[in-house]
Amino acid sequence: SQKIEQNSEALNIQEGKTATLTCNYTNYSPAYLQWYRQDPGRGPVFLLLIRENEKEKRKERLKVTFDTTLKQSLFHITASQPADSATYLCALASGTYKYIFGTGTRLKVLA
Amino acid sequence: DSGVTQTPKHLITATGQRVTLRCSPRSGDLSVYWYQQSLDQGLQFLIQYYNGEERAKGNILERFSAQQFPDLHSELNLSSLELGDSALYFCASSARGLSNQPQHFGDGTRLSIL
Repeated sequence: SQKIEQNSEALNIQEGKTATLTCNYTNYSPAYLQWYRQDPGRGPVFLLLIRENEKEKRKERLKVTFDTTLKQSLFHITASQPADSATYLCALASGTYKYIFGTGTRLKVLA
Repeated sequence: DSGVTQTPKHLITATGQRVTLRCSPRSGDLSVYWYQQSLDQGLQFLIQYYNGEERAKGNILERFSAQQFPDLHSELNLSSLELGDSALYFCASSARGLSNQPQHFGDGTRLSIL
C-alpha cells in the first residue's frame, strides 16, 4: 500500500540555523508533491508545490527538493526564526485529483 | 485568512447522534475536499467534490455522507456517531480540484463525542 513517512519526533533547532525536514514515500510515483504548515488548532497552509521533473524549488527562505529515485523530498528553512515553529506536512498527489498527507514533523526553533 | 469558512467551530454531541458540518469554499474555487484529522491518524482524505459532483473518494465511512450545492458550499453529514469519530474535520478548496493546484484549508470543526 502507499505510504508516506515523516519524522514523527519533534525537531528542535537554534534560531538562525537551517532546519531540514524529510518526507519519504513508498509504492508511489507521484507527479506532484506539496508542503504545508500547520499551527495548533488551525488548518494547514500551503507553502510550496514541486513537480516530479523539478529537482528543486525555492520561495524566500524555503527550499524543497524532490528526488524520485530516492523517493524522498527534503524541506529546508534557512535562517530559521521562532515564528517558523509549527508542524510541517508533506502531501503527495495520488492520481489526478487527491493527495495523501504525511503525519507531519513538529519543528521548534529556539531563541 | 484562507477564505474558506467552516461552521461550527466546535460541536459536542453524544453517541448515536447525527451532525452536519458546513463549508464555504474560497471565492472562485470550484472544488471542495473534506478531511478528518485525529491525533493518531494524521490528515485523512474523506471525499472531494467538483462543481457539485463527487470526484474522488477516500476512506469515508458509510455513516458519513457529503454533498456540494449549486452555490458551491458543501456539507458533511455524520450519523450514528461513535466515540472514535471525535476529531478535527477540515474542509479545503482549490480552483479546479487538480493535483497540481494548492488546497486552501479552513480552520476546521472540532467534533467531540461524549
